[in-house]
Amino acid sequence: NAGVTQTPKFQVLKTGQSMTLQCAQDMNHEYMSWYRQDPGMGLRLIHYSVGAGITDQGEVPNGYNVSRSTTEDFPLRLLSAAPSQTSVYFCASSYARTGGGYGYTFGSGTRLTVV
Amino acid sequence: GNSVTQMEGPVTLSEEAFLTINCTYTATGYPSLFWYVQYPGEGLQLLLKATKADDKGSNKGFEATYRKETTSFHLEKGSVQVSDSAVYFCALSLNSGYSTLTFGKGTMLLVSP
Repeated sequence: NAGVTQTPKFQVLKTGQSMTLQCAQDMNHEYMSWYRQDPGMGLRLIHYSVGAGITDQGEVPNGYNVSRSTTEDFPLRLLSAAPSQTSVYFCASSYARTGGGYGYTFGSGTRLTVV
Repeated sequence: GNSVTQMEGPVTLSEEAFLTINCTYTATGYPSLFWYVQYPGEGLQLLLKATKADDKGSNKGFEATYRKETTSFHLEKGSVQVSDSAVYFCALSLNSGYSTLTFGKGTMLLVSP
C-alpha cells in the first residue's frame, strides 16, 4: 500500500547511544518532515526537506540530524540520545509547491524511550 | 510567526451529542487550514481542509468553515459516535513557498455510549 513507512515502531535507548529512525514514502512526494509529539505540546517540527539534497531546520532541531539522498527516504539520526528525546516521532510527506492546500500523509510513528 | 490555538480537552460527550472544537489562528500570510485526527496508537490522518476564506471543509459528518474575519476554523459534528473518540488537531500552512505545517496542541474527544 502506498504511504509513509516508519521503522522501528518502538525503541528503547540508553543515554548516549545513537540510532537512526527510518522513514520511506512511495508517493513521489518532494516534501518530507519529522515531527515529535509530546503530551500537552502538540506536534513540533524537527527538520524538513523540500527535495533530495535539501534539508532545513524546524522548531526543535537540536540533537537531531537528517539527510535526504533520495526522494523516497528521509532518516532521522540521534547522535547521542538524551532522556529529553523520549517522545513519539512522526514522519510526514506531501507535494511541495506554491500553494499550501495539500494535506500531509503521516507514518504510524516511532515511540522512543531514552533511559 | 504562525500559531494555532485550540480549546483544551478532554471534551467528554454522550453519543449523538453535538460537537464543537474551537480553533483560532494567527498567520504571517494567507493560510490553508486543516483538521487532523489521531486515533489511539496511530498516526495522524487528514480529516478535512479549507484553502480560502469562506470555504467549508467536510468529511465523515464533520465540517469546518474558514472564517477570515474571526481567524477561526471551528470543527463541528451534529451527532458524535463512540468511534469518533480521538485526538483532533487543527493546523495551518501558508499558501506560498515551501510552507511547513503548524499544529495546535490537540483536543481529546471522549464519547460515551
